[in-house]
Amino acid sequence: GAVVSQHPSWVICKSGTSVKIECRSLDFQATTMFWYRQFPKQSLMLMATSNEGSKATYEQGVEKDKFLINHASLTLSTLTVTSAHPEDSSFYICSAPFRNEQFFGPGTRLTVL
Amino acid sequence: GENVEQHPSTLSVQEGDSAVIKCTYSDSASNYFPWYKQELGKRPQLIIDIRSNVGEKKDQRIAVTLNKTAKHFSLHITETQPEDSAVYFCAANQAGTALIFGKGTTLSVSS
Repeated sequence: GAVVSQHPSWVICKSGTSVKIECRSLDFQATTMFWYRQFPKQSLMLMATSNEGSKATYEQGVEKDKFLINHASLTLSTLTVTSAHPEDSSFYICSAPFRNEQFFGPGTRLTVL
Repeated sequence: GENVEQHPSTLSVQEGDSAVIKCTYSDSASNYFPWYKQELGKRPQLIIDIRSNVGEKKDQRIAVTLNKTAKHFSLHITETQPEDSAVYFCAANQAGTALIFGKGTTLSVSS
């Protein structure tokens, strides 16, 4: 099966700092990756679609200047949470399609103090 | 865009009973309908999926049915066991696009 990794698995940061999360497809190429956010006891909410070599597409209500997405290669997409605040604390998870299925990374737990 | 509704939000059953979770979707172009089981702090785990050219699919104690006309699909778990206790999500998409998830069902199986 296809494998997607994420790094880091968890991060704690101070309010106002920026945090970068990496999502990698390990054994396949992904021209598209998806970023989700999941608050406690809630569902996965799509934040944005990351497109290799072009701008990301953000869902309504997601600030593109706060959640910077870069998809510079066919195996790597990064999500940078800029000027993080406690309300950004959440579980961030990426996915990539491969052969008509979606493969998820293990997720990143972000805690902003 | 796609919208997926999922019911019930919580479901409690006795061990050995059956459990049914239902979802409806809005986008008639969606053609892939997976079901996921998620444990706390972990990624969703695919348990079964169905595509629009099939009406029903079964894998041991788990089955999924799809009614494209009514735009709904259901997860059926028979002979439930305590280890089936988890949060279950349905989702829908067209190939290559983002999955849109239902709000989830917390299944509790008591012995």
